[in-house]
Amino acid sequence: GAVVSQHPSRVICKSGTSVKIECRSLDFQATTMFWYRQFPKQSLMLMATSNEGSKATYEQGVEKDKFLINHASLTLSTLTVTSAHPEDSSFYICSARFANEKLFFGSGTQLSVL
Amino acid sequence: GEDVEQSLFLSVREGDSSVINCTYTDSSSTYLYWYKQEPGAGLQLLTYIFSNMDMKQDQRLTVLLNKKDKHLSLRIADTQTGDSAIYFCAESKAFGTASKLTFGTGTRLQVTL
Repeated sequence: GAVVSQHPSRVICKSGTSVKIECRSLDFQATTMFWYRQFPKQSLMLMATSNEGSKATYEQGVEKDKFLINHASLTLSTLTVTSAHPEDSSFYICSARFANEKLFFGSGTQLSVL
Repeated sequence: GEDVEQSLFLSVREGDSSVINCTYTDSSSTYLYWYKQEPGAGLQLLTYIFSNMDMKQDQRLTVLLNKKDKHLSLRIADTQTGDSAIYFCAESKAFGTASKLTFGTGTRLQVTL
């Protein structure tokens, strides 16, 4: 079946640094990818919709300048958390849309900002 | 706004039935889903139910929907250790990936011997 690879699975960084998370569709082209975030004991929340070749659409309350999304190819979307702070520590997960029918999820990235 | 709630943790013995519960607030929810996330893997769609149904069965899985109470449950019969995972409830206004999914917190199911 279709596979979405997300990397890294875990990252620890210092406050003020930027962290890039990659989401790749390995055996299909994904014109649309989604980025979610889950804080401890809270719901998995959609952050933004990433469309290949155009600007991402951000959900209300998500800072576009802080969470930079680049979907430069049909198989890769990246999320960069810029100037990360401890409050950005969270579980980030991506999904990719296949043939406008199914969603395939990555395995997630646990970000810890010290 | 939309809200989907689940308990965070459930422990059952192997062979017993597991029942994972979910409540949602949006009465216009049309489709309700159960996703499973195994350790180190992405979320996988287990099953879904349309809001005009009250039950759906698929092998060991039974989904019950009480639309009046906005309550969804997933029953796993004869729970096995391989069922240990996080189960996410989700809802959307339409089926398919064009519709925004609203997820719950996920329920971690632990199966003990």
